[in-house]
Amino acid sequence: QSVLTQPPSVSGAPGQRVSISCTGSNSNIGDGFDVHWYQQVPETVPKLIIYNNSSRPSGVPDRFSASRSGTSASLAISGLQAEDETDYYCQSYDSGLSGFVFGSGTRVTVL
Amino acid sequence: EVHLVQSGAEVKKPGESLRISCKASGYNFATQWIAWVRQMPGRGLEWMGIIYPGDSDTRYSPSFQGQVTISADTSITTAYLQWSSLKASDTAIYYCTRHWEGDWFDPWGQGTLVTVSS
Repeated sequence: QSVLTQPPSVSGAPGQRVSISCTGSNSNIGDGFDVHWYQQVPETVPKLIIYNNSSRPSGVPDRFSASRSGTSASLAISGLQAEDETDYYCQSYDSGLSGFVFGSGTRVTVL
Repeated sequence: EVHLVQSGAEVKKPGESLRISCKASGYNFATQWIAWVRQMPGRGLEWMGIIYPGDSDTRYSPSFQGQVTISADTSITTAYLQWSSLKASDTAIYYCTRHWEGDWFDPWGQGTLVTVSS
């Protein structure tokens, strides 16, 4: 069971906005540790799309945005496109485990 | 440009030993932590551990402590993940990835598929 909880799936029509939650606790997100997000197309390598809660690496479309508040974080995808249909993971650090933790993962489906 | 190139797929029997590698280039290997991440078939990402090649300081996830060994050789800018006795449940894709000071991981190696089957 993952320390960071994400919904197994979210869906939306092309052009719509979807949001993925990442719920942690007082030993990780709530303890002030930053949240980062990765996109993983099945059978391919994870790709960093958000770092430090809300920053986008060069080349990541501004359709992707994220935020952190309290013990949770969220990733939003606006103007949903067919190519966004894949898996997304949040990641942070946990002081109780003294190590890094990933979310359980969310599959985005474009209807 | 930073590159992490991992060794090829492995097929092993239960009880066998294995070491997989991750060759780094394009940055100062000795001064950046490098981590290993497991992805079991159809499952999510699991952080296994991390090493600082410069002094071999190594930290493990409690879930993997004692199950694997992480090491690094700065002379050939290569990190390793090894098992002394594989189990069927070790079947997974293993990724190496560079750790940044802000605690994110980028880039990632292409992954090494390890299949353990009798």
